[in-house]
Amino acid sequence: DTGVSQNPRHKITKRGQNVTFRCDPISEHNRLYWYRQTLGQGPEFLTYFQNEAQLEKSRLLSDRFSAERPKGSFSTLEIQRTEQGDSAMYLCASSAGMAGGYTGELFFGEGSRLTVL
Amino acid sequence: SQQGEEDPQALSIQEGENATMNCSYKTSINNLQWYRQNSGRGLVHLILIRSNEREKHSGRLRVTLDTSKKSSSLLITASRAADTASYFCATDVAGGTSYGKLTFGQGTILTVHP
Repeated sequence: DTGVSQNPRHKITKRGQNVTFRCDPISEHNRLYWYRQTLGQGPEFLTYFQNEAQLEKSRLLSDRFSAERPKGSFSTLEIQRTEQGDSAMYLCASSAGMAGGYTGELFFGEGSRLTVL
Repeated sequence: SQQGEEDPQALSIQEGENATMNCSYKTSINNLQWYRQNSGRGLVHLILIRSNEREKHSGRLRVTLDTSKKSSSLLITASRAADTASYFCATDVAGGTSYGKLTFGQGTILTVHP
């Protein structure tokens, strides 16, 4: 399977704990995006990377959230001191860059569902 | 706030009927895209229409775009039970360099009864 892969698919944690999600994009894609989706809503943009550079962060991304993409390959999204309001589906997507045949289409993973008790 | 707003929020039809969903947005766009999401799954890209296009077809899908009214519609013809899903419009806002930073609407939940 050469699609976008996210792990874990489900995570249940207690309030105050730290959690980390991993995303492996399509190998030839140099852009990687994180979105958050709560029940009944559309996805909301969190941040995106071009290669290893984090180019934009949403105001939704509080200082408890940190995302990295070392070496421009996989990415991790860490949430520290989780709160119940962090419960959501965290979606990763990738796309080719402008020089790599970007078509506008994002390719999404299956998401990582976080439940904070 | 969400850039796109879909209408209706929910749509229930019989297999074989056509389904039409509408999307309105607020700012100038590079393109508008439609995605599908089955319950608890990721999003799947359906179709993209650029700001200089007015209509586009892909299989049983037809998308229209009216930039003067800042609106789009998605028509699914001859619907099937397998089309049951949530459908989201997403806009790629013009004027920035963040291509791919999409703004999604709240979605239309489509139920197709066999």
